[in-house]
Amino acid sequence: QVQLQESGPGLVKPSETLSLTCSVSGGSVSGYYWTWVRQPPGKGLEWIGDIFYRGDTNYNPSLKSRVTISMNTSNNQFSLKLTSVTTADTALYYCAMYDWNEGWFDPWGQGTLVVVSS
Amino acid sequence: QSALTQPRSVSGSPGQSLTISCTGTSSDVGGYKYVSWYQQHPGKAPKLIIFEVTKRPSGVPDRFSGSKSGNVASLTISGLQPADEADYYCCSYADRHYVFGTGTQVALL
Repeated sequence: QVQLQESGPGLVKPSETLSLTCSVSGGSVSGYYWTWVRQPPGKGLEWIGDIFYRGDTNYNPSLKSRVTISMNTSNNQFSLKLTSVTTADTALYYCAMYDWNEGWFDPWGQGTLVVVSS
Repeated sequence: QSALTQPRSVSGSPGQSLTISCTGTSSDVGGYKYVSWYQQHPGKAPKLIIFEVTKRPSGVPDRFSGSKSGNVASLTISGLQPADEADYYCCSYADRHYVFGTGTQVALL
């Protein structure tokens, strides 16, 4: 059974770059699609983007200029970078497996809270 | 791309049925079969309960059902149980990206 775990700094300063990693266990990242979703405290879900194991990506148009999702198949991980962060980027960040054929996200990691503050 | 519109909250008595709407446009909900629903309990990650408008993953009770008409998708929960108290989010494909709904809190009376 595939399990995902997010990791990275819990505090980032405004204007700096947020960097998170999602580690996948119980299965290989190869052959599949993966995604990042975030949730500001007390608010709804926002899709950030997805990546195929070969490196093909799609991004939320509203974040596209600041987002990069990359794959590290040798470590069975994929990563998220979000540049020029502001307090509006404070959120719980989730990684999940993405089924491209049927358009769903499952399973999800437990999420990691990133606070943007000076 | 704006979030899909869901009612802020809905409530029902144990054993009753309730329906949550998810209103989009012809560019998302109305244009594709890739509408999914997620259940999120407080402090937990979302859980997939419906995909491709009407399909249930294995292990999800048949009390949960989905449908779509035009630009509006719906999730119906039959035989409400205390464990159904949670937030529910719809999600739709929209031309190489995805958009979530605003979320609906389900409460039991």
